Amino acid sequence: AQKVTQAQTEISVVEKEDVTLDCVYETRDTTYYLFWYKQPPSGELVFLIRRNSFDEQNEISGRYSWNFQKSTSSFNFTITASQVVDSAVYFCALSEAAYSNYQLIWGAGTKLIIKP
Amino acid sequence: SQTIHQWPATLVQPVGSPLSLECTVEGTSNPNLYWYRQAAGRGLQLLFYSVGIGQISSEVPQNLSASRPQDRQFILSSKKLLLSDSGFYLCAWATDRMIGELFFGEGSRLTVL
Repeated sequence: AQKVTQAQTEISVVEKEDVTLDCVYETRDTTYYLFWYKQPPSGELVFLIRRNSFDEQNEISGRYSWNFQKSTSSFNFTITASQVVDSAVYFCALSEAAYSNYQLIWGAGTKLIIKP
Repeated sequence: SQTIHQWPATLVQPVGSPLSLECTVEGTSNPNLYWYRQAAGRGLQLLFYSVGIGQISSEVPQNLSASRPQDRQFILSSKKLLLSDSGFYLCAWATDRMIGELFFGEGSRLTVL
């Protein structure tokens, strides 16, 4: 069965600290996609990244980086030098190629609080 | 460029009253459309999705229904609201090419009293 687990319900750090959000997934499919979305206090979810199961290269985008490890079924998200604007709820999600219309299986989300 | 709008942004309704939330997409044709619900402090639950006009798939049996009268219009309805219908409702769109990359509306916060 497909499942996405974000064990960290809430994380609070002081501005400029690095923070890692964990995501562990379960799937039997060999072709799948992993995602991270950000939900700021305004409520609108924003797509951050998509990774397919055949590409384990880590991705870096500015202060954001993602570590995809198939051996541990994890797709962790790190924010370097965090800023107050990074405060949001972050969702990890999984989509399987066999699943109709690539519907997303969502984790429960991690609320990130960046204190000034 | 593509945009998505949903309204109303906030709604307070008594139990037993009807509901209509609307969502429209601009700048794209034949999008996949989605309605999600997010209960307070919880994750996202897919309620309905549509791959075309009049084609609605329901993910969760519930007190709600959806309709797609036009290609870029998606409506979420209820004939009689329940307290458990309270939550944050999000409309989203995507295309098959985008594989899971959803674009979300601003959300509609519904409180049923």
